[in-house]
Amino acid sequence: GAGVSQSPRYKVAKRGQDVALRCDPISGHVSLFWYQQALGQGPEFLTYFQNEAQLDKSGLPSDRFFAERPEGSVSTLKIQRTQQEDSAVYLCASSLSSLGVQETQYFGPGTRLLVL
Amino acid sequence: QQQVKQSPQSLIVQKGGIPIINCAYENTAFDYFPWYQQFPGKGPALLIAIRPDVSEKKEGRFTISFNKSAKQFSLHIMDSQPGDSATYFCAATMNRDDKIIFGKGTRLHILP
Repeated sequence: GAGVSQSPRYKVAKRGQDVALRCDPISGHVSLFWYQQALGQGPEFLTYFQNEAQLDKSGLPSDRFFAERPEGSVSTLKIQRTQQEDSAVYLCASSLSSLGVQETQYFGPGTRLLVL
Repeated sequence: QQQVKQSPQSLIVQKGGIPIINCAYENTAFDYFPWYQQFPGKGPALLIAIRPDVSEKKEGRFTISFNKSAKQFSLHIMDSQPGDSATYFCAATMNRDDKIIFGKGTRLHILP
């Protein structure tokens, strides 16, 4: 398929563990976004990349959250020392556009993280 | 502070009925208003979108009505079908900033 893929689909972590969530955007898409969706809520913006540059990380909830996209394609969201409040679905989206052109964002299926 | 307020939280409609979902916003810098549909276990998918210089937009059975002065917009689903049962999110973005600001969602159930 040519859609956005994310792995793993499900992750169970013990409190205090580090986790890494992967996103493979649609080939050729310039922009990549990470969102956090708590149970029964709408997605909330975490961070945005244009190619390999992280242009906005204003939504990252703490310095335990770190995202990278070193070659402008695959992205990894890392959460250090996980806490129970980090339990959520983490969504990745990609779009063709550069900033300022409102192209459609295509979402992956998400990674459901449960922190025990 | 919730930038996009959505109601109702849940909605049950008989097949063939017209569910209506309402949203309101405060920030006049928003200039693009998409609606997303999400099925369980899937990511949100763009359904239809509107800009504030247009008062209504139709795509198939889905219609957005937009009231710029009231800062409100709504989604209507004509001839609703059980397959439309999903969670719907209104959202807003600014031209200078592509991040999507989502409402809290409406869980819609269409009875067969």
